Amino acid sequence: NAGVMQNPRHLVRRRGQEARLRCSPMKGHSHVYWYRQLPEEGLKFMVYLQKENIIDESGMPKERFSAEFPKEGPSILRIQQVVRGDSAAYFCASSLAGVSYNEQFFGPGTRLTVL
Amino acid sequence: DQQVKQNSPSLSVQEGRISILNCDYTNSMFDYFLWYKKYPAEGPTFLISISSIKDKNEDGRFTVFLNKSAKHLSLHIVPSQPGDSAVYFCAASASGNQFYFGTGTSLTVIP
Repeated sequence: NAGVMQNPRHLVRRRGQEARLRCSPMKGHSHVYWYRQLPEEGLKFMVYLQKENIIDESGMPKERFSAEFPKEGPSILRIQQVVRGDSAAYFCASSLAGVSYNEQFFGPGTRLTVL
Repeated sequence: DQQVKQNSPSLSVQEGRISILNCDYTNSMFDYFLWYKKYPAEGPTFLISISSIKDKNEDGRFTVFLNKSAKHLSLHIVPSQPGDSAVYFCAASASGNQFYFGTGTSLTVIP
């Protein structure tokens, strides 16, 4: 029973390139959350998705960032025209149901480094 | 605006003693709280949770206490073991769409 999978585990991009981060939730989970952890900081919520729907993207920067969770396949967090400040660990979590009284299971994270 | 705060960035405890990790929050609407443990280069793993209708929840060596009037929760680990050395995050939700996480406390259990 595989847990939450994220790939790649490490991603290096030059300024101006695009970064695509993938997340496969636990089997049976239809709720996906993306978090960002900057150095020396806690996890910051970015976006909450269910299959084919964005439920809450209040934590996501308005420009350059987008997320999707298609009917088939993994959830994708896409960062266009990356800048050095985007360097961080990006964690995906999934849950069986919504936030209320349900724990989230986290993937191992993708560490993005922007040169 | 940090709604969940962990004011101690680090804590060292002798093996066998009690570890107490603290967390404060500002939003009185929070009604569900969790503790996560994180090892380097891994994602957080769920430890224990508590809803606002309770003031204590126990699971083996881990107990979480909630003081709603003080907007404070704490995680007690007893007895502490070297394998407990990790970063601990508390998180809170207001029945909404997201959890708010603290900045973490790095626990070191000294053998």
